Amino acid sequence: RKEVEQDPGPFNVPEGATVAFNCTYSNSASQSFFWYRQDCRKEPKLLMSVYSSGNEDGRFTAQLNRASQYISLLIRDSKLSDSATYLCVVNMRRYGGATNKLIFGTGTLLAVQP
Amino acid sequence: GAVVSQHPSRVICKSGTSVKIECRSLDFQATTMFWYRQFPKQSLMLMATSNEGSKATYEQGVEKDKFLINHASLTLSTLTVTSAHPEDSSFYICSAREAYGNTEAFFGQGTRLTVV
Repeated sequence: RKEVEQDPGPFNVPEGATVAFNCTYSNSASQSFFWYRQDCRKEPKLLMSVYSSGNEDGRFTAQLNRASQYISLLIRDSKLSDSATYLCVVNMRRYGGATNKLIFGTGTLLAVQP
Repeated sequence: GAVVSQHPSRVICKSGTSVKIECRSLDFQATTMFWYRQFPKQSLMLMATSNEGSKATYEQGVEKDKFLINHASLTLSTLTVTSAHPEDSSFYICSAREAYGNTEAFFGQGTRLTVV
């Protein structure tokens, strides 16, 4: 089983639509969670951190369910500029006391259509 | 956000040669840097984690003698691909964190390596 799993998509949605991405992780000791956005041939950039209580940033809402080891990202009122790959990222505990590591999901491709 | 500079952005080399990629944190001290590789239409795969002043921790399946990592200072980590082969052609990207724990990672611009 992959450490972080996402539906690769693509998700093709019209402008103004609401779209949700899901992500599951295998390591129950994972400590923190993020959503990154990656545009074609560019480096990933942090979109938002994911907190246990859920958090919102404008049109973006992130949720975490530790019991189910599940993270979600909701985008409301989609814009053309939201078209990108959305990466679920988990900060995983590394056994033996070494530094934690950031593990990326495969990413979900979103294409917002005019 | 903090700035991570990666150099070169693009390199073409002959099979059998070695290539060094640099990753610098420009406005913060990076205790930890991560090196990833990304093949087309795939996600970033963690290759290794480097901590300043100590040996890198390599992920399973990554040859440490082929991918040499040096993190000699708090602002610089290097990845050297030794005896490169065409199958090493990929997008290599580094990221850096300011401190231990759960802080955000900032990414370099990536290096597109083509081995001919």
